[in-house]
Amino acid sequence: DQQVKQNSPSLSVQEGRISILNCDYTNSMFDYFLWYKKYPAEGPTFLISISSIKDKNEDGRFTVFLNKSAKHLSLHIVPSQPGDSAVYFCAASITGNQFYFGTGTSLTVIP
Amino acid sequence: GAVVSQHPSWVICKSGTSVKIECRSLDFQATTMFWYRQFPKQSLMLMATSNEGSKATYEQGVEKDKFLINHASLTLSTLTVTSAHPEDSSFYICSARDRGSGFVNTEAFFGQGTRLTVV
Repeated sequence: DQQVKQNSPSLSVQEGRISILNCDYTNSMFDYFLWYKKYPAEGPTFLISISSIKDKNEDGRFTVFLNKSAKHLSLHIVPSQPGDSAVYFCAASITGNQFYFGTGTSLTVIP
Repeated sequence: GAVVSQHPSWVICKSGTSVKIECRSLDFQATTMFWYRQFPKQSLMLMATSNEGSKATYEQGVEKDKFLINHASLTLSTLTVTSAHPEDSSFYICSARDRGSGFVNTEAFFGQGTRLTVV
């Protein structure tokens, strides 16, 4: 049972434009969410997080939005750069213990 | 930032043999480490939670006798794939959380991953 879902397996965006990656979850007990970036054959790299007490967290070009009522979060990257091309995973946890990952969205930023 | 080192990064083994993968936290103490597995084009799936000094907690469907986890110290956890078969071929990743920063609202640090191929 996939508790965290990323319904878009891939996304292509022009350099300089906004990239929006979406993530849905089913477990209302999740209270901490993360976005990771992953290159092939490497471990995931942490990008940004958000606690359920917030609805937005911003770090440079990356902003994560959380809509608890819809059980939905999104990652906005603006402006998108070619180096952002990677697979992005959202992850959710209860009290920051084990994380449950989505299936990933492969982002391609076109120069 | 905190570093988690995973070794080996790539291993090929014969069917029926066992393979050990190490996960070390290099500059912090990790009471808890997590082991994940990723099949091609699929999500990272949590296999088990490794607790220092106690038995690991396995996720449903993961055979504890096949995937042996030992967390002997605050900086080292090992995953041993016993009697490996070709279907065990996958990408295995460990992660650890900094004990010193508490257990709430902190990201986990990931190892580089181990690509296991069983022939």
